[in-house]
Amino acid sequence: DAGVTQSPTHLIKTRGQQVTLRCSPISGHKSVSWYQQVLGQGPQFIFQYYEKEERGRGNFPDRFSARQFPNYSSELNVNALLLGDSALYLCASSLGDHSSGNTIYFGEGSWLTVV
Amino acid sequence: GQNIDQPTEMTATEGAIVQINCTYQTSGFNGLFWYQQHAGEAPTFLSYNVLDGLEEKGRFSSFLSRSKGYSYLLLKELQMKDSASYLCALPIGGYNKLIFGAGTRLAVHP
Repeated sequence: DAGVTQSPTHLIKTRGQQVTLRCSPISGHKSVSWYQQVLGQGPQFIFQYYEKEERGRGNFPDRFSARQFPNYSSELNVNALLLGDSALYLCASSLGDHSSGNTIYFGEGSWLTVV
Repeated sequence: GQNIDQPTEMTATEGAIVQINCTYQTSGFNGLFWYQQHAGEAPTFLSYNVLDGLEEKGRFSSFLSRSKGYSYLLLKELQMKDSASYLCALPIGGYNKLIFGAGTRLAVHP
């Protein structure tokens, strides 16, 4: 079975541009969440979706948005990119909407560089 | 709120045993995760503890003390491939939201 898949794996954008990152969860998983990981730090929670509804939002500006589709895949959009948005963006999926007891699996991530 | 503390870096010798500590403060406890992350790669699941005590999985074991807000990851028979960052994380709010520590970078030397 395929794990969590993300695309693109690497991309370079210019300040002010917009970017869309994509994620497909493990088959059967209905919960998807997004994390930002800056070099040398642990991942920071951005969003969580379950059954196509937003269930949690981290401390990120409104430039960050996301959605989940009927097939449970998800997109993360970032508008008006800043240099500080350069990071590894991780998608994670789990079976249910409660993390207690549900293992959370991560994709390989999308490396975003803003120049 | 939540707070997680881990040592920033550790070094150890191949074949040895190393213990990576994690202390935390949280208003509601829903278990604690440990992940391994090699440089440039995604975090991979190692363990999940929700009850006090030691859980062993091959060379890796994880311990939890809820009353002390303390966990550790024990790595035995260290191998070079164990050189990685080890992340301690708390699930928050019951949903798929994890609060991570900054991670402990472990370097295993011959």
